[in-house]
Amino acid sequence: QKEVEQNSGPLSVPEGAIASLNCTYSDRGSQSFFWYRQYSGKSPELIMFIYSNGDKEDGRFTAQLNKASQYVSLLIRDSQPSDSATYLCAVNINASGGSYIPTFGRGTSLIVHP
Amino acid sequence: GAVVSQHPSWVICKSGTSVKIECRSLDFQATTMFWYRQFPKQSLMLMATSNEGSKATYEQGVEKDKFLINHASLTLSTLTVTSAHPEDSSFYICSARNWDTRIGNQPQHFGDGTRLSIL
Repeated sequence: QKEVEQNSGPLSVPEGAIASLNCTYSDRGSQSFFWYRQYSGKSPELIMFIYSNGDKEDGRFTAQLNKASQYVSLLIRDSQPSDSATYLCAVNINASGGSYIPTFGRGTSLIVHP
Repeated sequence: GAVVSQHPSWVICKSGTSVKIECRSLDFQATTMFWYRQFPKQSLMLMATSNEGSKATYEQGVEKDKFLINHASLTLSTLTVTSAHPEDSSFYICSARNWDTRIGNQPQHFGDGTRLSIL
């Protein structure tokens, strides 16, 4: 069973702090990694994707990928109360027939308090 | 870009009714569409993967005769919940993905979801 693991939290950080969300995956062959944000009662929305080792920055968000250690993380700088949501890590797992099936972690609940 | 439209947003119907949910990619061609179900405070559960022009691949435990999926074009997939019962009440979400050979893969983009309530 190829898995994606996340700490369910909640992770609580004060406004303005850096929130660090982590995700590990079991399939060494995975090439594509995604972070989604899901507000309560809403569908997920894409925040970032990363394919190469290292850091990728987009505004207040930085995705970090380490394929050797099989983890991907998301940093949120200057956290705002509006960032409070569940953050889903997704990994495209190589399935049979050459297809890639997105596999989601259970999500980490982030609470940013004023 | 990468907008996925899903409707209806809400459905309330009687037990035994069949319900169709549509998922459209508005500004890109979706070679693959996915259907998820999510119960309150639980994670996304992949129900099936649908590639344009071929039969859907269902996840273990998902009844293909109950959840009919059609992906007849590159912009439209439908999920029909046949003879729905109260235990089928859930939040159903579709997503769509294109294939980019330059990158090897693309993120999936989600519709807004359909909240289904069976009385």
